[in-house]
Amino acid sequence: QQQVKQSPQSLIVQKGGISIINCAYENTAFDYFPWYQQFPGKGPALLIAIRPDVSEKKEGRFTISFNKSAKQFSLHIMDSQPGDSATYFCAATIRGYQKVTFGTGTKLQVIP
Amino acid sequence: DAGVIQSPRHEVTEMGQEVTLRCKPISGHDYLFWYRQTMMRGLELLIYFNNNVPIDDSGMPEDRFSAKMPNASFSTLKIQPSEPRDSAVYFCASSLTGGIYGYTFGSGTRLTVV
Repeated sequence: QQQVKQSPQSLIVQKGGISIINCAYENTAFDYFPWYQQFPGKGPALLIAIRPDVSEKKEGRFTISFNKSAKQFSLHIMDSQPGDSATYFCAATIRGYQKVTFGTGTKLQVIP
Repeated sequence: DAGVIQSPRHEVTEMGQEVTLRCKPISGHDYLFWYRQTMMRGLELLIYFNNNVPIDDSGMPEDRFSAKMPNASFSTLKIQPSEPRDSAVYFCASSLTGGIYGYTFGSGTRLTVV
């Protein structure tokens, strides 16, 4: 029940295309959903996050879409660039609770 | 701020040896987390501290693993004795508010046990 399922495991997108990563969760107590971006040789870094009281959050080319009834959320990267090539992790947590549950990660490669 | 600092960056050791990984969190952060990352299992939380006190160590795989936080600016993760299956990247992360507004991760220690 604590798991966050993430897909796809890997993704190749042409420069300028849209990258879409999907996540699903079971625990309805989760109320905060961050996304992390990890470059090779580095630790994950917080990219963008959403709370379930909104259906979408946009920051630049990055958008989170949230479907509370389906218990699903996704990350869209518009106009994908080679510099976006990284591993992306979705995550979920409960506000006031310290543990964050991470998805298994999606390795994104944006090719010129 | 220099961020979360981990050392060493790479460690190669022989099976049975003791390994100590080190972490310096961001000054002022009151939560510290140790994670292990492998291809098979992704990011696993091993243990976390609040104000230097271990709060949850349920993710520590077995008694060979131990972690300490003697003060607010230093933590260690020790594996004794090490085994090849311990090979992974170990991350330390710190946070001011726990999981809510994001962790700051260090660059990790890549451990190889041969």
